[in-house]
Amino acid sequence: EAEVAQSPRYKITEKSQAVAFWCDPISGHATLYWYRQILGQGPELLVQFQDESVVDDSQLPKDRFSAERLKGVDSTLKIQPAELGDSAMYLCASSLGSPGADTQYFGPGTRLTVL
Amino acid sequence: KNEVEQSPQNLTAQEGEFITINCSYSVGISALHWLQQHPGGGIVSLFMLSSGKKKHGRLIATINIQEKHSSLHITASHPRDSAVYICAVETSGSRLTFGEGTQLTVNP
Repeated sequence: EAEVAQSPRYKITEKSQAVAFWCDPISGHATLYWYRQILGQGPELLVQFQDESVVDDSQLPKDRFSAERLKGVDSTLKIQPAELGDSAMYLCASSLGSPGADTQYFGPGTRLTVL
Repeated sequence: KNEVEQSPQNLTAQEGEFITINCSYSVGISALHWLQQHPGGGIVSLFMLSSGKKKHGRLIATINIQEKHSSLHITASHPRDSAVYICAVETSGSRLTFGEGTQLTVNP
């Protein structure tokens, strides 16, 4: 069964360092999402791509976060510089992109710890 | 006030009990999703519904659009059902807004 792949699964970094997360969606899924989940809370959308275009990045802290999906397939989320408050689970999801009838498939996530 | 409210926040049950988790929302939606998150983070979609009721095995999800309320029921609960159950509403552009989740623990 096709799955969303993410790497790394765990990342420990010091504040002010740069970190990058990678996501490979299910083949054929046009829509890709990056979420941040703080412990004890529900996921929060950071950025949504439709193919290679950003559809929604209203909640992305653009002073330190960036995301790209250059060829409309895999995607990278970067944080530079990392801050203590960025410690969270970063989840990637993908879907076919059919509003109202669209199941999102989630990857295993990257757990980030900033020291 | 959050757009999506879940109750209870935590729920402990004995194996075999009937379980209900509730979700209320305050915005117009195109669909409502129930998801399951196991320790370690992986999230699995359980249901997507826009009206009525859906059933899959021991899980049942219902939605009342007029009252902006949905429930997730688990019949004959089992310890392997222990997980966080998350309600999410789908608004424009397939965007999901999530509740904070309900931590379910089923004891043997």
